[in-house]
Amino acid sequence: QIQLVQSGPEVKKPGTSVRVSCKTSGFTFTRSVMQWVRQARGQRLEWIGWMVVDNGDTNYAQGFRERVTLNRDTSTSTVHMELSSLRSDDTAVYYCASDGGRGYYMWGQGTLVTVSS
Amino acid sequence: EIVMTQSPVTLSVSPGERPTLSCRASQSVSSGLAWYQEKPGQAPRLLIYGASTRATGIPARFSGSGSGTEFTLTIDSLQSEDFAVYYCHQYNYWPHSFGQGTKLEIK
Repeated sequence: QIQLVQSGPEVKKPGTSVRVSCKTSGFTFTRSVMQWVRQARGQRLEWIGWMVVDNGDTNYAQGFRERVTLNRDTSTSTVHMELSSLRSDDTAVYYCASDGGRGYYMWGQGTLVTVSS
Repeated sequence: EIVMTQSPVTLSVSPGERPTLSCRASQSVSSGLAWYQEKPGQAPRLLIYGASTRATGIPARFSGSGSGTEFTLTIDSLQSEDFAVYYCHQYNYWPHSFGQGTKLEIK
């Protein structure tokens, strides 16, 4: 059974960083492509970036390129997203998802990141 | 960036009806289009990929059609568990992009 289990909610102050983890199981992690998407309240889903787990290649949306880093730990089948220089408009639910090249076939449960002074 | 526009924003329907949800892309995405269902407090669930192929375990009452810039999701004989928000998603070009969603609510 494929599962993506994300880390818990975070409350951060503006200017700081947050790290969200996504632990996977039920599929061959090293053959996967992992996506990150976020959704602010009342807004559409917004793509952040992807990682090819096998070789660690990444690609980030232009609006996040200076602030986001994706990495992975193959020993625990976990991918991490770190977002720095947080602003209030980064408050959102962050999702990881596995990409089979035909849509995102499995999603994590989401992690609420709240940025507030 | 390709902009995905869904219509209507909200659709009020009764159980048993056959709603049709629309999604338009600002430029052709060929068949690189997926549909997701999202319920409160839950992650999105993949329904359709390749514009018309049902994902594993998705009931046959869900069907997708279209290519290029115009796509539709149809739900035959709406069930109570189908009331949710539906998103379209183009994955043919980077950056991937999503529609703003259509909320299916009980009439």
